[in-house]
Amino acid sequence: QSVLTQPPSVSGAPGQRVTISCTGSSSNIGAGYDVHWYQQLPGTAPKLLIYGNSNRPSGVPDRFSGSKSGTSASLAITGLQAEDEADYYCQSYDSSLSGHWVFGGGTKLTVL
Amino acid sequence: QVQLQESGPGLVKPSETLSLTCAVSGYSISSGYYWGWIRQPPGKGLEWIGSIYHSGSTYYNPSLKSRVTISVDTSKNQFSLKLSSVTAADTAVYYCARVLYGSSWYNRWFDPWGQGTLVTVSS
Repeated sequence: QSVLTQPPSVSGAPGQRVTISCTGSSSNIGAGYDVHWYQQLPGTAPKLLIYGNSNRPSGVPDRFSGSKSGTSASLAITGLQAEDEADYYCQSYDSSLSGHWVFGGGTKLTVL
Repeated sequence: QVQLQESGPGLVKPSETLSLTCAVSGYSISSGYYWGWIRQPPGKGLEWIGSIYHSGSTYYNPSLKSRVTISVDTSKNQFSLKLSSVTAADTAVYYCARVLYGSSWYNRWFDPWGQGTLVTVSS
């Protein structure tokens, strides 16, 4: 069971907006640690999508945005495209058990 | 641009030691940054294994710490993972990645990633 909780799946039609939540606790997101997001296309390695809660690396479309509030974070995707169908993972730092970096369980995005 | 490539045996017997190497190109490990290993069991999520600095300073996942050793060879511009006493639960795709950080030591993320290598633990 992951320290960061994500919904197993979300879906949306092309052009729509979807959000993926990442819920933590007072030992990770709620403690003020940043949240980062990765996109994993089928059969490929994860790719950094958002870092530092809301920053996009060069080359990532502005259709992707991140936010954080309290013990949760969210990834929003607007103007959904077929190529966005992938698994999405959040990641942060957790200060329990001597501290370590943790990932959410992942969310499968299906474009209808 | 920085590129990483994992290599090592794809099949390891139970109770033996898994050994993988990550070759880095496009950047000299000696110049800085931490470098890390992450794994993903088939059909499951991601798990951080540990990270190493070019000086050799390491940080390990507490749940794996007793079995993990990560080392760096700056002369070959590569770093390595050893995981001892493996079981079927260690079957996974193993990724190496560069570790970047922001406003504090704790705020670290992984970019870029290697393509990953599948390691199966089976007799």
